[in-house]
Amino acid sequence: EVQLVQSGAEVKKPGESLKISCKGSGYRFTNYWIGWVRQMPGKGLEWMGIIYPGDSDTRYSPSFQGQVTISADKSITTAYLQWSSLKASDTAMYYCARRGYRAEDGMDVWGQGTTVTVSS
Amino acid sequence: SYELTQPPSVSVSPGQTARITCSGDALPKHYAYWYQQKPGQAPVLVIYKDSERPSGIPERFSGSSSGTTVTLTISGVQAEDEADYYCQSADSSETYVFGTGTKVSVL
Repeated sequence: EVQLVQSGAEVKKPGESLKISCKGSGYRFTNYWIGWVRQMPGKGLEWMGIIYPGDSDTRYSPSFQGQVTISADKSITTAYLQWSSLKASDTAMYYCARRGYRAEDGMDVWGQGTTVTVSS
Repeated sequence: SYELTQPPSVSVSPGQTARITCSGDALPKHYAYWYQQKPGQAPVLVIYKDSERPSGIPERFSGSSSGTTVTLTISGVQAEDEADYYCQSADSSETYVFGTGTKVSVL
């Protein structure tokens, strides 16, 4: 079964760092792009960026460039989203999603989401 | 920055047809995708490549494209179709954007 399993909920203070994970299984991890999506409480989906684990080619949305870092470790089939200094406005649900093999296939498999709460 | 515009809400009676539009200047150049999101759940892909339906998605879901507007149509709406729906398209190579989202209410 193809699946993406994300790490558990996090509660952090402003200024702290954080790295959340997304582990892929059931498919060739290096051959599919993995994207990250933010959903703030009660709001819509926002595209953050995407990585190709095969060569770590990474593309960021202009809104998130410089705010987060997307990475991947293909040896353990895991993608990551990290912050160096969290803000209260980073409080949100974060989803990882696999882009289908072809560019036109869309985001066909989603993780269950990771809730990040940033509060003093 | 590039935007995809959707109506905030659509209301429909069971058995009727719901149509959700998504407008964006680059839609003629890039495929559109549609996702369904129910409360407390991750999004699910319901349409890809403008009008293709993934396996397991009911036939009542269909997509179409015309110029700068793409449309998701749900024919014979059922109570279980009540959800938020988001369009998505590419801005440039491997850079994507989501629409503003539409809440479908089944009366």
